[in-house]
Amino acid sequence: SQTIHQWPATLVQPVGSPLSLECTVEGTSNPNLYWYRQAAGRGLQLLFYSVGIGQISSEVPQNLSASRPQDRQFILSSKKLLLSDSGFYLCAWSVTGTYEQYFGPGTRLTVT
Amino acid sequence: AQSVTQPDIHITVSEGASLELRCNYSYGATPYLFWYVQSPGQGLQLLLKYFSGDTLVQGIKGFEAEFKRSQSSFNLRKPSVHWSDAAEYFCAVGPSTSGTYKYIFGTGTRLKVLA
Repeated sequence: SQTIHQWPATLVQPVGSPLSLECTVEGTSNPNLYWYRQAAGRGLQLLFYSVGIGQISSEVPQNLSASRPQDRQFILSSKKLLLSDSGFYLCAWSVTGTYEQYFGPGTRLTVT
Repeated sequence: AQSVTQPDIHITVSEGASLELRCNYSYGATPYLFWYVQSPGQGLQLLLKYFSGDTLVQGIKGFEAEFKRSQSSFNLRKPSVHWSDAAEYFCAVGPSTSGTYKYIFGTGTRLKVLA
């Protein structure tokens, strides 16, 4: 069966520090991968999605970037964190040709 | 533009009572529709989905939803709520752009269950 992992689970970082959040999927090949940010009372905001290695689509201009160095690995990064980057970050995957997405457990990021 | 509205931010029901969570969408064609549930501090779990066919869809945990094209709605229902159903529920619609896998999520409805 397929599983999705995210780490770390929680992270507290000072303003101006770098960020790297990792997401990996097991049990499937060539998944579509997504990064979302969830802010309280605002639902989920799609940040990036990827349909293949090295193929990244950015949805919102921001302080963040994403990379997909391997088929089942998706990384969210920042060179310098802002206070507004605080939130709950969710990774998700789906299979091409189907439309349901499956979510990871999330990473709680607090920028201080 | 495509959008999803969940008009109820919070809903409180007694255990054993019936539940209906509302979802209205704006979409130019027949959408794909989803309901997800999120427990505190965790990821989202897919409850059910509608792509086509029978407008009443059954999901996990005893939930069902009905697609009503005339009302642009996809409301989630459960005949008897259990205390473990307390969580936040999200409706989603998409894809927001043809040929992509981008979805629009509502802002969520937080369900509280009274013992």
